[in-house]
Amino acid sequence: RKEVEQDPGPFNVPEGATVAFNCTYSNSASQSFFWYRQDCRKEPKLLMSVYSSGNEDGRFTAQLNRASQYISLLIRDSKLSDSATYLCIVKTDSWGKFQFGAGTQVVVTP
Amino acid sequence: DGGITQSPKYLFRKEGQNVTLSCEQNLNHDAMYWYRQDPGQGLRLIYYSQIVNDFQKGDIAEGYSVSREKKESFPLTVTSAQKNPTAFYLCASRPRTNAEAFFGQGTRLTVV
Repeated sequence: RKEVEQDPGPFNVPEGATVAFNCTYSNSASQSFFWYRQDCRKEPKLLMSVYSSGNEDGRFTAQLNRASQYISLLIRDSKLSDSATYLCIVKTDSWGKFQFGAGTQVVVTP
Repeated sequence: DGGITQSPKYLFRKEGQNVTLSCEQNLNHDAMYWYRQDPGQGLRLIYYSQIVNDFQKGDIAEGYSVSREKKESFPLTVTSAQKNPTAFYLCASRPRTNAEAFFGQGTRLTVV
């Protein structure tokens, strides 16, 4: 089993709709979690960190479920500009290794 | 402006040649990372370094080598032993106290 797994998608979402997807991890000792966004042929950029109590940044909501070992990202009121690949990162040891999921592609359509 | 810089942006290499990709950061970050991304795939960790003069293999280190002689620099050499080197290479760095990683703009390597 991979350490970090994501549904590759694509998730085809009408503009204005809500989309949500998960990232599962295998190491129960994982400490920190992040969502990054990657546009085609560009470098990943931090979207948001994921806190234990869940957190929101505008239209984006991140949740952590330690019992089931997954994090989630929800995008409300989807915009065309939200079309991208969303990568989760799970920090699995004290501070060194940074493990990526393979990414979930989101395509927002007019 | 502080940041992380990769060069060159595009690189073409003949089969059988070694090539070195540059990664420099002026963010005073302790840890630096090299990832490889193939089309339609996620990022796979090649090597990482937590401190000067020390580095660890990631998941796909075969055919690659690195050095960390200075805190600011973490060059990656793609050797002729790497059988399928054509890919998008991303360098990242992060400080010891803050878990977020920052990425360079990437180097697209093509073997011709």
